Amino acid sequence: DVKVTQSSRYLVKRTGEKVFLECVQDMDHENMFWYRQDPGLGLRLIYFSYDVKMKEKGDIPEGYSVSREKKERFSLILESASTNQTSMYLCASSNLLGFGTEAFFGQGTRLTVV
Amino acid sequence: KNEVEQSPQNLTAQEGEFITINCSYSVGISALHWLQQHPGGGIVSLFMLSSGKKKHGRLIATINIQEKHSSLHITASHPRDSAVYICAAREDDSWGKLQFGAGTQVVVTP
Repeated sequence: DVKVTQSSRYLVKRTGEKVFLECVQDMDHENMFWYRQDPGLGLRLIYFSYDVKMKEKGDIPEGYSVSREKKERFSLILESASTNQTSMYLCASSNLLGFGTEAFFGQGTRLTVV
Repeated sequence: KNEVEQSPQNLTAQEGEFITINCSYSVGISALHWLQQHPGGGIVSLFMLSSGKKKHGRLIATINIQEKHSSLHITASHPRDSAVYICAAREDDSWGKLQFGAGTQVVVTP
């Protein structure tokens, strides 16, 4: 059973903390993505990676960074968490051709910054 | 302005009713996805369409490329269909970026 797994379902962090969200996929996919989801706005792309150590900014990269040291793992980093980063974060993966017959998503991490 | 618009935002139906969710997009696309998100957050893929119509069980998805419009229909709706339904347009570029609609919250009551 193919999977995209996110390390945490729920997280509560304090303003100013450095936060790591981890995502692992077992499908040998080249592409991995981080989205945030907010009510009324839908999913918005933060960063994506098309290969190990490669990354590209999405639509809303400010306040975030990413790391991809291994093909199966893509980490989202909040360097100094702020309350406006309270959101649902979703990781996804696809093969080199992009989202083909299916889009594979993790179960989501609901982050609250207090 | 979002390049992918969904309607309605919210929908309540009684069990057994026919449900339609609409999706309009303004970008050039190579495909359109319909996704389902249950409470708790995980998203699963229902369909990917590039033309015509697809059917899976009680779910039917259609797309009209010329009119830049897609619909998701749920026949004989059931309370377990209660979820958020999201359309996502795959842009016609080199790596297939997805543009997402805001989602439609569907509640089916017994």
